Amino acid sequence: NAGVTQTPKFQVLKTGQSMTLQCAQDMNHNSMYWYRQDPGMGLRLIYYSASEGTTDKGEVPNGYNVSRLNKREFSLRLESAAPSQTSVYFCASSQPQTGETQYFGPGTRLLVL
Amino acid sequence: AQSVTQLDSHVSVSEGTPVLLRCNYSSSYSPSLFWYVQHPNKGLQLLLKYTSAATLVKGINGFEAEFKKSETSFHLTKPSAHMSDAAEYFCVVTIQQAGTALIFGKGTTLSVSS
Repeated sequence: NAGVTQTPKFQVLKTGQSMTLQCAQDMNHNSMYWYRQDPGMGLRLIYYSASEGTTDKGEVPNGYNVSRLNKREFSLRLESAAPSQTSVYFCASSQPQTGETQYFGPGTRLLVL
Repeated sequence: AQSVTQLDSHVSVSEGTPVLLRCNYSSSYSPSLFWYVQHPNKGLQLLLKYTSAATLVKGINGFEAEFKKSETSFHLTKPSAHMSDAAEYFCVVTIQQAGTALIFGKGTTLSVSS
């Protein structure tokens, strides 16, 4: 049982390049989330998927798109990377019940030059 | 709207002394509250959570937190700090109308000196 896995662990992009961050969970959770973490800002929600087939914007969705490929996988795409998207990205999953614990992946460090 | 305020960005303690990390919240709903810990260059680990059961919540590694509705607080405490407790700590509240999506505080860095 690997929990939540993310690939890649680290990526360097040039401004304008595109990339997709992958996330998978093996806990049969219905809900999945993408956050970004910036110094002094805590984690901020980018997008979430309450269940397979649905996605919704979070606090900071601009510049990102997501795909809930199936129940296990939830990807985050940067179509045209900008330096402001340099951050650490965390994927998480949970069951959609009030107060249910979210389980986090190890994170992807992204540097946009 | 829900929000979380961690009152100290940095707390320094000596090993063996008590730890207090302060958190106030604002929520239109009955909140679920969490404390997560993040060690350097690591992911996030759940310390404890409050979900409207007992107001004193015990977590891992000797940490506990008390939910005080009258004060809208959820402070994290530990009787005796250990060097391995040095990390960043996040107080978190759920967004009830968005499933279980979370709102994070900005974090408190705990330093422990010998």
